[in-house]
Amino acid sequence: QKEVEQDPGPLSVPEGAIVSLNCTYSNSAFQYFMWYRQYSRKGPELLMYTYSSGNKEDGRFTAQVDKSSKYISLFIRDSQPSDSATYLCAMRIGGSNYKLTFGKGTLLTVNP
Amino acid sequence: EAGVTQFPSHSVIEKGQTVTLRCDPISGHDNLYWYRRVMGKEIKFLLHFVKESKQDESGMPNNRFLAERTGGTYSTLKVQPAELEDSGVYFCASGQGETQYFGPGTRLLVL
Repeated sequence: QKEVEQDPGPLSVPEGAIVSLNCTYSNSAFQYFMWYRQYSRKGPELLMYTYSSGNKEDGRFTAQVDKSSKYISLFIRDSQPSDSATYLCAMRIGGSNYKLTFGKGTLLTVNP
Repeated sequence: EAGVTQFPSHSVIEKGQTVTLRCDPISGHDNLYWYRRVMGKEIKFLLHFVKESKQDESGMPNNRFLAERTGGTYSTLKVQPAELEDSGVYFCASGQGETQYFGPGTRLLVL
């Protein structure tokens, strides 16, 4: 079983839709959770960083963590064509261990 | 502020050859990481430098891979000899604290 599972999609939505992206994980030692956005031919760019269970909001983006279910989500409201990218979840154990464990990424296309 | 830069952006080599990838981190960042994405797979951790010291090299696949960070500034990742399965995108990231900022990657193709 992979440590982090993420549906690779692809996911195609109309402009203005609410997008839900999800990851599950098996390692209960993961304490820090991140969402990265990666445009084609670019490196991953950090979108959201969360530690505790619950919600964290930043503009149109909301990250949700449920440690009891080992499940994290990223919601994008009022999606825009510029949101079209691959979204990667990543997580790490914490302390002096900075190694990130990634999901495969979900390819999102927002159609105008 | 300049981001993480990587050189070359692309490299095509033959099996058995040597390739050296370079990463220039964001100025002042003590932490430097190497990751790799093989086609169809997730991005995987290779190693972590703190300044010039290897903090964690648990992800290095085998002894054909050698990473260095002389003087705690830029880093190189050498693959010698390259094998077909080494093809992929090699990402470097740097950070000061918990956040990691990624470079654009080097696309390596071993024929």
